[in-house]
Amino acid sequence: DTGVSQDPRHKITKRGQNVTFRCDPISEHNRLYWYRQTLGQGPEFLTYFQNEAQLEKSRLLSDRFSAERPKGSFSTLEIQRTEQGDSAMYLCASSTRQSQETQYFGPGTRLLVL
Amino acid sequence: GEDVEQSLFLSVREGDSSVINCTYTDSSSTYLYWYKQEPGAGLQLLTYIFSNMDMKQDQRLTVLLNKKDKHLSLRIADTQTGDSAIYFCHYNTDKLIFGTGTRLQVFP
Repeated sequence: DTGVSQDPRHKITKRGQNVTFRCDPISEHNRLYWYRQTLGQGPEFLTYFQNEAQLEKSRLLSDRFSAERPKGSFSTLEIQRTEQGDSAMYLCASSTRQSQETQYFGPGTRLLVL
Repeated sequence: GEDVEQSLFLSVREGDSSVINCTYTDSSSTYLYWYKQEPGAGLQLLTYIFSNMDMKQDQRLTVLLNKKDKHLSLRIADTQTGDSAIYFCHYNTDKLIFGTGTRLQVFP
């Protein structure tokens, strides 16, 4: 297993467009997390899944954001009607109870909204 | 509320030891973690400590945990230029909290 992967690595879009990001976790990991990171800040939690169930969502996750993990494997994060303030790095991580809940991070998707 | 604080910058000479500090408010986390982030990359787990331990050593890394003062530190011995990065402390209770990160700069 090569670790957590994210696609695309970079995305430039115009304000008002919709974007979708994909995350493929480590295969045996049942938990998957999405974070947003802006320049000079630590990651801010957005949401997390245990298998296919979305168990928690941050207040940061506005109505324009939606995340899915339909088969309990890969996940998608969609942002509708993007705004310039959505520009950030979007990080995905996965974990399993057997690894002391250690989160393994993907390389991130950097979004720039013009 | 939950809060994790770190100093923003640390500059050290190559070969010296680095100590990165973190203070936190919520002590209910089972584990506390240190992550490293290089420019443009995701976070890489460096080490973690179980909350009932005081110290953990892993090669050049030493983690110290003072639960009474809610203080966590990461010591890097013989710091190398490749250690230059941002270091985050993290704990996971019912909230998943990362510190603001400490930028470590190593100069020759």
